[in-house]
Amino acid sequence: AQTVTQSQPEMSVQEAETVTLSCTYDTSESNYYLFWYKQPPSRQMILVIRQEAYKQQNATENRFSVNFQKAAKSFSLKISDSQLGDTAMYFCAFMLGQGGSEKLVFGKGMKLTVNP
Amino acid sequence: DAGVTQSPTHLIKTRGQQVTLRCSPKSGHDTVSWYQQALGQGPQFIFQYYEEEERQRGNFPDRFSGHQFPNYSSELNVNALLLGDSALYLCASSPSWGAYEQYFGPGTRLTVT
Repeated sequence: AQTVTQSQPEMSVQEAETVTLSCTYDTSESNYYLFWYKQPPSRQMILVIRQEAYKQQNATENRFSVNFQKAAKSFSLKISDSQLGDTAMYFCAFMLGQGGSEKLVFGKGMKLTVNP
Repeated sequence: DAGVTQSPTHLIKTRGQQVTLRCSPKSGHDTVSWYQQALGQGPQFIFQYYEEEERQRGNFPDRFSGHQFPNYSSELNVNALLLGDSALYLCASSPSWGAYEQYFGPGTRLTVT
């Protein structure tokens, strides 16, 4: 079974700073996908970034980037130039890459607060 | 382009009752997954529907059942409600072909008293 661990329950940063959220996972499979989702107080789960395990290049989406270390089974999210709107719960998630029928396995989440 | 919609937004039920939650997927998506998110936890996979059949199921009892309609919308039914069923229920849709992102609805907050 696949597991996802987020060991930092909560973090706070100042606006415009850079913050890194950590995530580790466990799987014996070689073909999978990793995701970071954001859940603001409005409850809507929003996809932040996605990484395919077969790609060596780390994914980047504007201010969001990942550090994917496949051998270490580590998948951290870096948020640059933090904004107040980044305040949310952040969930790391794993999906087997066996087709569109797979389920997401989530970590417990981490609460990020961006202070003005 | 409407995203994933869910109804109702909030629901209060009594132990032992039955509840039905509804989900309409994003346009062009034919697969619907349901997740339960207890307070302070990450979402847990309940089941997934495709072509009106349950394709995969998580570790949830048979009290949790679902249905998918020809227009791809879906229902989640929970019978004999327990206090522990209180949670945010999230619906996610995705296309069955190729892509792996699941798009989530705003959720239904179920409170069992």
